[in-house]
Amino acid sequence: SYVLTQPPSVSVAPGKTARITCGGNNIGSKSVHWYQQKPGQAPVLVIYYDSDRPSGIPERFSGSNSGNTATLTISRVEAGDEADYYCQVWDSSSDHRGVFGGGTKLTVL
Amino acid sequence: EVQLVETGGGLIQPGGSLRLSCAASGFTVSSNYMSWVRQAPGKGLEWVSVIYSGGSTYYADSVKGRFTISRDNSKNTLYLQMNSLRAEDTAVYYCARVTYYYDSSGYYPNYFDYWGQGTLVTVSS
Repeated sequence: SYVLTQPPSVSVAPGKTARITCGGNNIGSKSVHWYQQKPGQAPVLVIYYDSDRPSGIPERFSGSNSGNTATLTISRVEAGDEADYYCQVWDSSSDHRGVFGGGTKLTVL
Repeated sequence: EVQLVETGGGLIQPGGSLRLSCAASGFTVSSNYMSWVRQAPGKGLEWVSVIYSGGSTYYADSVKGRFTISRDNSKNTLYLQMNSLRAEDTAVYYCARVTYYYDSSGYYPNYFDYWGQGTLVTVSS
């Protein structure tokens, strides 16, 4: 089955840039989606199709995907960005399974 | 406005059964792909199951043979029947709408664009 690997934690100072990676075998050939989850809340889609932003998501959120790594980039980080972030793909090659990365806790210092 | 409201969670003994419901509004469940995703306490998201608009269903290995996803078109509601529950099934269960795309090979699921607030299932004696 397909596996997505994320770092457990990333820390960044306010105003700086945070980069959260998501590793997978030839992930560049798949569409990667990213979700933000704050404590006690349901996940919220922040990036879809590698780099598209849903309406209402700040331009500070961007994404890229190539080779074996997809990256979520948050520019000018704010305290309100502190949350867990999950990458996701759909592994339709084997039994149509949804796949999530293990999640990354973003801490704003 | 799209809304998903899950109900049916609670405390259940190991080996027991529970049925979760997800009432949808603002769109038609039967015309969309719908999924269940769960999150164990303090853990990450885990995909559980999906039902396609055509009725095909798929499951994670961890629940295959024990859980059944279904829908009631007249009630615009998604269900998850959970049997032979285990302690490791303890989690918040979210229902979510799944977008899909089409290419020359057919239709494929994509990302989860709307989520419910979740319902907690606790399996314990």
